[in-house]
Amino acid sequence: DTAVSQTPKYLVTQMGNDKSIKCEQNLGHDTMYWYKQDSKKFLKIMFSYNNKELIINETVPNRFSPKSPDKAHLNLHINSLELGDSAVYFCASSPRSSGGPEQFFGPGTRLTVL
Amino acid sequence: AQSVTQLDSHVSVSEGTPVLLRCNYSSSYSPSLFWYVQHPNKGLQLLLKYTSAATLVKGINGFEAEFKKSETSFHLTKPSAHMSDAAEYFCVVSLLNAGGTSYGKLTFGQGTILTVHP
Repeated sequence: DTAVSQTPKYLVTQMGNDKSIKCEQNLGHDTMYWYKQDSKKFLKIMFSYNNKELIINETVPNRFSPKSPDKAHLNLHINSLELGDSAVYFCASSPRSSGGPEQFFGPGTRLTVL
Repeated sequence: AQSVTQLDSHVSVSEGTPVLLRCNYSSSYSPSLFWYVQHPNKGLQLLLKYTSAATLVKGINGFEAEFKKSETSFHLTKPSAHMSDAAEYFCVVSLLNAGGTSYGKLTFGQGTILTVHP
């Protein structure tokens, strides 16, 4: 009955590999997000999708590509992984992009690039 | 533009004593403000939120925060700390447009680590 779930919880991989992180929410929300939390615990938004449409795209390398097959899922695919991609990635969702400001976060995926 | 500054990177208190975590914000329009808590190796949990209603907001686990527009502050308080409160706390702002709706973009403060001593 988890509201926002992410898989995997931990991901260890080599530089240059391609990997995906999956996110699902069962809250019926319209909007989903990806955040990156760096080693200093600073959280920054990467992307936001509303009803499968991209609405926020911060300055993120194009090696990162979000994919939303339906409004309950927002997956993050990363190509050619680099050491600097090591971080904790959080998925979040909210009722809608306007008027419903609070966001509900998943447990995070700790990505380690060796 | 919007920004959030958490004035203390670390706060240490004894169990049973009051907690004060300070936050100042900058926003062109009326903001929504939140406090989130992150326990070690856990996700983020919403503690409380301010969305232009009552300026004193009560949250979970005995926490509350007061929105002070004149001081552009949204400090988090709790009368009596518990060991389980030890965690990292994030003050967050969401920009509202002139119509009072959210753009959906959260800006996080740098975080304050709360340590509670027995």
